[in-house]
Amino acid sequence: AQSVTQLDSHVSVSEGTPVLLRCNYSSSYSPSLFWYVQHPNKGLQLLLKYTSAATLVKGINGFEAEFKKSETSFHLTKPSAHMSDAAEYFCVVTPRSGGYNKLIFGAGTRLAVHP
Amino acid sequence: GAGVSQSPSNKVTEKGKDVELRCDPISGHTALYWYRQSLGQGLEFLIYFQGNSAPDKSGLPSDRFSAERTGGSVSTLTIQRTQQEDSAVYLCASSPPDRGLNEAFFGQGTRLTVV
Repeated sequence: AQSVTQLDSHVSVSEGTPVLLRCNYSSSYSPSLFWYVQHPNKGLQLLLKYTSAATLVKGINGFEAEFKKSETSFHLTKPSAHMSDAAEYFCVVTPRSGGYNKLIFGAGTRLAVHP
Repeated sequence: GAGVSQSPSNKVTEKGKDVELRCDPISGHTALYWYRQSLGQGLEFLIYFQGNSAPDKSGLPSDRFSAERTGGSVSTLTIQRTQQEDSAVYLCASSPPDRGLNEAFFGQGTRLTVV
């Protein structure tokens, strides 16, 4: 079975400071992992994905995440937060096997960025 | 169109009425998914289509919920005898062939309010 836990429901940072959104996963199979972002009143947008290539994955808007199998983690980071980064972030896992893989979403982390 | 289109964007209905939610996936995408996002919650999987067939309906919460897909394109999610707990944002996603869920594109969602 697969599951994902986002360790913080809310994170608040100052503009220009680093962002860390934590995610731990559980998967019976080698997983694919994703981070999606949802801005207010907008659809979900893929930030980045890990699908068995490099363990450090770079995404859009300066975000990156590192797959750590030993820690079953896939934390999302950004060196310097921008006001426009304020949104809800979802960590997602799916088993990388077979032709159909259901996306399992975490509960989400709401990121607030203040001046 | 350029993206996944869902209609209506907002729907208010009275308890006990039936509602239909529509999803137009990206042209050529064979896989189609429905998810539900309740207030402050992560995304809950409802049903998956590959072409016109639904190999995974495991997420449908009750027999009041059903979905169909015709012509390998448009999908309709129907909720009969709506209840207040059905209030949520219903999201549709599609993905191209050969990619599994490595690349899922989401619509803007339908916000359903049952009063």
